[in-house]
Amino acid sequence: DAKTTQPNSMESNEEEPVHLPCNHSTISGTDYIHWYRQLPSQGPEYVIHGLTSNVNNRMASLAIAEDRKSSTLILHRATLRDAAVYYCILDQTGANNLFFGTGTRLTVIP
Amino acid sequence: DAGVIQSPRHEVTEMGQEVTLRCKLISGHNSLFWYRQTMMRGLELLIYFNNNVPIDDSGMPEDRFSAKMPNASFSTLKIQPSEPRDSAVYFCASSFTSGGNTDTQYFGPGTRLTVL
Repeated sequence: DAKTTQPNSMESNEEEPVHLPCNHSTISGTDYIHWYRQLPSQGPEYVIHGLTSNVNNRMASLAIAEDRKSSTLILHRATLRDAAVYYCILDQTGANNLFFGTGTRLTVIP
Repeated sequence: DAGVIQSPRHEVTEMGQEVTLRCKLISGHNSLFWYRQTMMRGLELLIYFNNNVPIDDSGMPEDRFSAKMPNASFSTLKIQPSEPRDSAVYFCASSFTSGGNTDTQYFGPGTRLTVL
């Protein structure tokens, strides 16, 4: 299973930006980087994914390092509803499945 | 679309009993994934199907676990006989897989299983 490394936990103040880091030094050229999050008592939900270029959607932004060995999920204004476990996942070509590690538990402080 | 539907949402049973968990895929999706989540082991993939065919069942713990897709939109995960260590939240996810890299997976709300 492709390996990613994330901090176990992070805190953020409400309405401030949050930068969630992820290291994936063993990434290969065709592996996509996926982010999912799991809100309390819910199933995981898709947040964003990318290959090489930075990506933006209505939920977040994904900044990918030039060497692709790390990435950062950016929540531009954290709300209490963003408190969740965030998973950074490498999608290996042909694997057809995702390996969820331990993720980062984000706490948002009012 | 109602999303992925799982039933039951909660199940409490006694050791040795048979348990059947059910999942309905999102209409038009062709891949189905069963996951198990515990505090100790996190989220683990048990098995996944593509076009009703099991592709990888290497995550299935042992022979007590079995999964089927009797049709393109429905799947069951059966545990027989159940044991206390099977207590976990079981998630089903579906996606439309067109080949190559993994497509976005949509998860159901999960079934919380407690085996006494």
